[in-house]
Amino acid sequence: GAVVSQHPSRVICKSGTSVKIECRSLDFQATTMFWYRQFPKQSLMLMATSNEGSKATYEQGVEKDKFLINHASLTLSTLTVTSAHPEDSSFYICSARYLGGGEKSPLHFGNGTRLTVT
Amino acid sequence: DAKTTQPPSMDCAEGRAANLPCNHSTISGNEYVYWYRQIHSQGPQYIIHGLKNNETNEMASLIITEDRKSSTLILPHATLRDTAVYYCIVLYNTDKLIFGTGTRLQVFP
Repeated sequence: GAVVSQHPSRVICKSGTSVKIECRSLDFQATTMFWYRQFPKQSLMLMATSNEGSKATYEQGVEKDKFLINHASLTLSTLTVTSAHPEDSSFYICSARYLGGGEKSPLHFGNGTRLTVT
Repeated sequence: DAKTTQPPSMDCAEGRAANLPCNHSTISGNEYVYWYRQIHSQGPQYIIHGLKNNETNEMASLIITEDRKSSTLILPHATLRDTAVYYCIVLYNTDKLIFGTGTRLQVFP
């Protein structure tokens, strides 16, 4: 149980275009999902918290107009990288917490999306 | 949330127990210890978590010292597939899970 699916797993786009990444909780509902970014040989960095039915909360230094987050249902959150540039190339990972598990329940992570901007 | 300190890397022979330490000397009474691992180019995988008592599941055991200032994750019979970066994280709830640099475990044949 507690499977989180990300799509696509890999994407290559041209500079200036936008890319949408989907994060789905397959067998549970999640009011809260989290988006992380990971550069090569570095640890995961939290970008934003996605809340179902309300605006996302962004970490300091993350541009909310560049990384658009939509959490329209209890099983789907999307991250759109707008006007992508080569420096946005990274590994993007989402996570979700089972709605009924309480605040101590562990987060479950997707398998990530590797974005390459040419 | 309390800060954690982990060795940057460790080696372990296949079939032997892997004991991964974590120091969290500033942990407060209501903070839990969580362990995740990340195999190369995949998302992190939850392993185990605990508050005071030792915990065991099908993946690993978590040993927390009585003063809660440190803990050890034990993989009882390491396999090559256990090669990964292991993260020890201390927090009150799983909002804003912040990852440190972790321990890179290399299991060798």
